[in-house]
Amino acid sequence: DVVMTQSPLSLPVTLGQPASISCRSSQSLVHSDGNTYLNWFHQRPGQSPRRLIYKVSNRDSGVPDRFSGSGSGTDFTLKISRVEAEDVGVYYCMQGTHWSWTFGQGTKVEIK
Amino acid sequence: QVQLQQSGPGLVKPAQTLSLTCAISGDSVSSNSAAWNWIRQSPSRGLEWLGRTFYRSKWYNEYADSVKSRITINPDTSKNQFSLQLNSVTPEDTAVYYCAREQSDSSGWYGPDYWGQGTLVTVSS
Repeated sequence: DVVMTQSPLSLPVTLGQPASISCRSSQSLVHSDGNTYLNWFHQRPGQSPRRLIYKVSNRDSGVPDRFSGSGSGTDFTLKISRVEAEDVGVYYCMQGTHWSWTFGQGTKVEIK
Repeated sequence: QVQLQQSGPGLVKPAQTLSLTCAISGDSVSSNSAAWNWIRQSPSRGLEWLGRTFYRSKWYNEYADSVKSRITINPDTSKNQFSLQLNSVTPEDTAVYYCAREQSDSSGWYGPDYWGQGTLVTVSS
């Protein structure tokens, strides 16, 4: 299986400041169809994961534009331009290019 | 708006069968652009995809290698729902289990977008 490695695992941030989470895959996530199937999820305590980003950089409906995804090949990044209180929780990357789906171990974002 | 409502017991004895159901509203289990997944989450294993069922002129099932010998996912078109059965459970199967919809089309795969509320299943005698 493809291993997804996130860093950092814990990210204390100041309200209004930017935040960045890295996700690296053990194999290239470029699919034979030319797409790169890398998603980002946000999970608050006691809630189900919510998808934020699909195919590296496409924001889901209702996701604030302070969230952005970028990257290619094996290196991907989720950025929050200005952290708000509602952004706390755990963020996961997930790949769907290679059988079977795998997730990163999660990055916990908390307010300093 | 798609909604997934999970049901099933929260406590299962070792060696017995874990059974959960996910009722779908706002979409069809027979959709040609969706797949219906089970994913679990535990502190030790993180988020782990277990398997899925989907209809593309006929029914298909795909399972993770880690549970392939013990898992069955079945669609129920009459009730617009799908189910998970995991046999011969051990305490290591203790986790929060989620159902989730996955979408794809001619532009590619989009991954899971709608998730159920999650069910904590504890394997203990």
